[in-house]
Amino acid sequence: SAVISQKPSRDICQRGTSLTIQCQVDSQVTMMFWYRQQPGQSLTLIATANQGSEATYESGFVIDKFPISRPNLTFSTLTVSNMSPEDSSIYLCSVEVTQGTEAFFGQGTRLTVV
Amino acid sequence: GQQLNQSPQSMFIQEGEDVSMNCTSSSIFNTWLWYKQDPGEGPVLLIALYKAGELTSNGRLTAQFGITRKDSFLNISASIPSDVGIYFCAGLTGSQGNLIFGKGTKLSVKP
Repeated sequence: SAVISQKPSRDICQRGTSLTIQCQVDSQVTMMFWYRQQPGQSLTLIATANQGSEATYESGFVIDKFPISRPNLTFSTLTVSNMSPEDSSIYLCSVEVTQGTEAFFGQGTRLTVV
Repeated sequence: GQQLNQSPQSMFIQEGEDVSMNCTSSSIFNTWLWYKQDPGEGPVLLIALYKAGELTSNGRLTAQFGITRKDSFLNISASIPSDVGIYFCAGLTGSQGNLIFGKGTKLSVKP
């Protein structure tokens, strides 16, 4: 397994601003992912964070809105840019220690945009 | 695209009762995962299934990987109040694929 620390755990932000969420893992992992969970909904994959290269985004998500960094095998950031109230969600970091095996999740960042 | 149909959407049961929930898909998956999410927390992995027909237990939880590889179920025996939460199934098509999540089953347990 892996222990994932995600911060901040929650934030209230003004529209038009940006928030960067950090994800730190206690061991090197192969895969890191970012998910969004809108209120009362399931999890939707935003992107796969690739170490040393640009993230791979899912349909409906773009780099300008959700820039992602992954400088090494234990750390990644997700930025929610130019926020609007529609971005209010829980954002979750996930890791697979070995690609194609079980995924573990951080505790999430609850974002409210006002 | 690939979808997982998870049912029931919600359950309201009495403490001590057994619970069953399932996920089905028209697609084949190589891995099935079951998670529980408490309010304000991230999903916590309960059981991972890697082989068709596999039946795995974790305490009072039992899950099975369907023989057709298109479905999975999760059973909870003798439910207790702390079983309350949202349970998600998730499927993985292969080492290059991404996790696909079901819409969740919200479980409420009455003491």
